[in-house]
Amino acid sequence: DTGVSQDPRHKITKRGQNVTFRCDPISEHNRLYWYRQTLGQGPEFLTYFQNEAQLEKSRLLSDRFSAERPKGSFSTLEIQRTEQGDSAMYLCASRSGGGETQYFGPGTRLLVL
Amino acid sequence: QKEVEQNSGPLSVPEGAIASLNCTYSDRGSQSFFWYRQYSGKSPELIMFIYSNGDKEDGRFTAQLNKASQYVSLLIRDSQPSDSATYLCAVYLDSSYKLIFGSGTRLLVRP
Repeated sequence: DTGVSQDPRHKITKRGQNVTFRCDPISEHNRLYWYRQTLGQGPEFLTYFQNEAQLEKSRLLSDRFSAERPKGSFSTLEIQRTEQGDSAMYLCASRSGGGETQYFGPGTRLLVL
Repeated sequence: QKEVEQNSGPLSVPEGAIASLNCTYSDRGSQSFFWYRQYSGKSPELIMFIYSNGDKEDGRFTAQLNKASQYVSLLIRDSQPSDSATYLCAVYLDSSYKLIFGSGTRLLVRP
């Protein structure tokens, strides 16, 4: 257990539905990252927060995706109008300002039917 | 060309042998280099990182970095069946410290 938690751990939804995932980073970590991982691939960067500011978004993050970190603590990732191609493991990681290492949460596995 | 390349494997070694995992990267601006282990259905777990040329050892693991050749490797000594997993190589490219991952190498340690 790295201290990063994610909820839910698993989500099954029907195409077209909206889903929201939550990430709670290690408490003193002000950097928070979201990644997406599909089968047989390494995680791909989605977006990055420093405190409450979203500093970078990947072009993988279509308009249907939105992420927030309203108080610089937990973060949410919402996917609107889900598509089957959104099925993946969504990973959250956090890092302290002076640290090199990102610590990953257990992930949320999404299946879109 | 992908930014971080790894052989997908599987790499099969007998128990007790040295497993050698390799990774190349394309951007000479790459900074720190990381090895993560990922068991099936689980999230990546950090093994070690390296940012200077040469070797870095931690227990049974040794990371080797050669920036001139844009090559980083991970050696696992005395391989155990519990080391069977996918090993992900990752690099930091810029000041955002976002990780760029390879696709991973699957390691199988035969008892």
